[in-house]
Amino acid sequence: DGGITQSPKYLFRKEGQNVTLSCEQNLNHDAMYWYRQDPGQGLRLIYYSQIVNDFQKGDIAEGYSVSREKKESFPLTVTSAQKNPTAFYLCASSPQTGGAETQYFGPGTRLLVL
Amino acid sequence: AQSVTQLDSHVSVSEGTPVLLRCNYSSSYSPSLFWYVQHPNKGLQLLLKYTSAATLVKGINGFEAEFKKSETSFHLTKPSAHMSDAAEYFCVVTYAMDSSYKLIFGSGTRLLVRP
Repeated sequence: DGGITQSPKYLFRKEGQNVTLSCEQNLNHDAMYWYRQDPGQGLRLIYYSQIVNDFQKGDIAEGYSVSREKKESFPLTVTSAQKNPTAFYLCASSPQTGGAETQYFGPGTRLLVL
Repeated sequence: AQSVTQLDSHVSVSEGTPVLLRCNYSSSYSPSLFWYVQHPNKGLQLLLKYTSAATLVKGINGFEAEFKKSETSFHLTKPSAHMSDAAEYFCVVTYAMDSSYKLIFGSGTRLLVRP
């Protein structure tokens, strides 16, 4: 089955610790995205990547980092500089055809701070 | 600038009655618009998409939405609510970003379905 997988489903972070959220897709999509969702709010864009070895900051990139070494993988690291990391994190992907393509979402990772 | 406003944070209906979830958008050009649904602790699933073809768009699970340019609205409707429709719904507008498109999400409407 084609789709997007995110792991782990739940992740706990200690103060001062970096943690990495995994996102993998087998849809052969060029573009991948990371969003943060807080209670009662819509999604906000953290980072996006349109092609391997290239990525751009979104609206709330501070305290986060990403890499795109492979087309199918786009891991997100939540660094110790992110002071309020508790949120639901969603990864998405879309084909790059020059139009407003649908983004397909993974099941999400909930990050909690101990 | 592009923006989207969902006019109700919560909507409660009885099972079998119609559903109306309201969305207004602001866009400096002809937008693409989406409705996504999110069940608790799950990712988002696309319900339907408008991209300047027919103004009445039919989606999955009996939902549809009508694009009204004069009213800058894209309301989501369903003739008869089912218990499984209880979820959060997001209206989304797109704008061009580099050579890709960015999604701007509304704040969401939580649909409650009473037995």
